[in-house]
Amino acid sequence: EVQLVESGGDFVKPGESLRLSCSASGFRGSGLLFRNAWMTWVRHLPEKGLEVVGRIITTRDGGTGSYSTAVRGRFTISRDDSADTVSLQMNNLRLEDTGVYYCMAVFPLQSWANFWGRGTRVTVSS
Amino acid sequence: DVLLTQSPASLPVTLGQVASISCRANESLVHRDGYIYLSWFQHRPGQSPRRLIYKVASRDSGVPDRFSGDASDNDFTLTITRVEAEDLGIYYCCQGTHWPWTFGQGTRVE
Repeated sequence: EVQLVESGGDFVKPGESLRLSCSASGFRGSGLLFRNAWMTWVRHLPEKGLEVVGRIITTRDGGTGSYSTAVRGRFTISRDDSADTVSLQMNNLRLEDTGVYYCMAVFPLQSWANFWGRGTRVTVSS
Repeated sequence: DVLLTQSPASLPVTLGQVASISCRANESLVHRDGYIYLSWFQHRPGQSPRRLIYKVASRDSGVPDRFSGDASDNDFTLTITRVEAEDLGIYYCCQGTHWPWTFGQGTRVE
């Protein structure tokens, strides 16, 4: 069974930093490999709904991260294919970053197969 | 960023009846590869979002066939025939054609 497990959510003050991690397992049983996934962070903001935070493509294709306008320059996504993990480094956190952060795996070459984690909560408050 | 406008914001339904949700994009979602990357997600309280439909009308594995997607130009529709109690929740359209990917504001099916 494919599982994505996020961790690292916490209660922080504005301007502080936080690092979220997402650990993947079970892909091989579904004929998938973590290294072939575009790993994406999506957040659910209170009263605003779902918002894509950023995405990192496969290492084979360059492993570059792309970010939403709201977080560009403050957030950085990285991946470790040897450990099947992806991380989200969040700096200079703002009140409006408060929400539940989900890790999502997308497999463009396997019919865009799509998997989500359970989420981790980030609260930014003074 | 591409703006997706969903309607209605809230959709009261009767179990067993049909429910339709609309999503309008403010620009073309046709990718240079010819595909339209428009998906529909279901988000139930306390659960992770779940994709139901991708590339306008393709159903994800395990999704009941009462869920269907359609398109006309920049207008997209998710239809649920014979709504069941487990279908209650918030539905989002999402475009993956242009970066950043964007979601509609959500439709609460209640």
